[in-house]
Amino acid sequence: GENVEQHPSTLSVQEGDSAVIKCTYSDSASNYFPWYKQELGKRPQLIIDIRSNVGEKKDQRIAVTLNKTAKHFSLHITETQPEDSAVYFCAAGDNNNDMRFGAGTRLTVKP
Amino acid sequence: DVKVTQSSRYLVKRTGEKVFLECVQDMDHENMFWYRQDPGLGLRLIYFSYDVKMKEKGDIPEGYSVSREKKERFSLILESASTNQTSMYLCASRNDQGWETQYFGPGTRLLVL
Repeated sequence: GENVEQHPSTLSVQEGDSAVIKCTYSDSASNYFPWYKQELGKRPQLIIDIRSNVGEKKDQRIAVTLNKTAKHFSLHITETQPEDSAVYFCAAGDNNNDMRFGAGTRLTVKP
Repeated sequence: DVKVTQSSRYLVKRTGEKVFLECVQDMDHENMFWYRQDPGLGLRLIYFSYDVKMKEKGDIPEGYSVSREKKERFSLILESASTNQTSMYLCASRNDQGWETQYFGPGTRLLVL
């Protein structure tokens, strides 16, 4: 089955700096890679996703890159703000109702 | 615009009790999921259902069962709660169009004493 590794487990940056979270996956059948943000006490919410036929996707300050050959994908947040502080989860899914999540990264943005 | 709801935000139960966690979605989604969330382990799939009365085991089904009698409702059952089932439980649903339509419920924090 799929195994998703996520690093780092915690990340602290200064406001305005960039943050990068990396994930690797093992199942070559995975074709969908979402990122979820979970603020304290709230439900995970999808913030950006990428499919395996695309190498990069950007939405304002958030971007995701995918290297299908190396089986890794990354979340990039630029110009971080305190409200970006949350736990971020990567995941890898295929066409068979199988999606596996990474262990999560707790991002703290210090003002 | 809450679309996935869970019956309780917090629950405290005793070892050996039978526990029901309810999840309801109003989006007419075919697929529903139960995850548990533990620090350092992310979200792990317990069970999922792709249709009424259908269920599939996830990665950690032991100690749990599920029920899907109606399309909008997916119940997670702990037949005899144990302390190692203390966790945050998240329900999710999605339609058949793709994973990007998956929505999570607010979660139920269960404490088993």
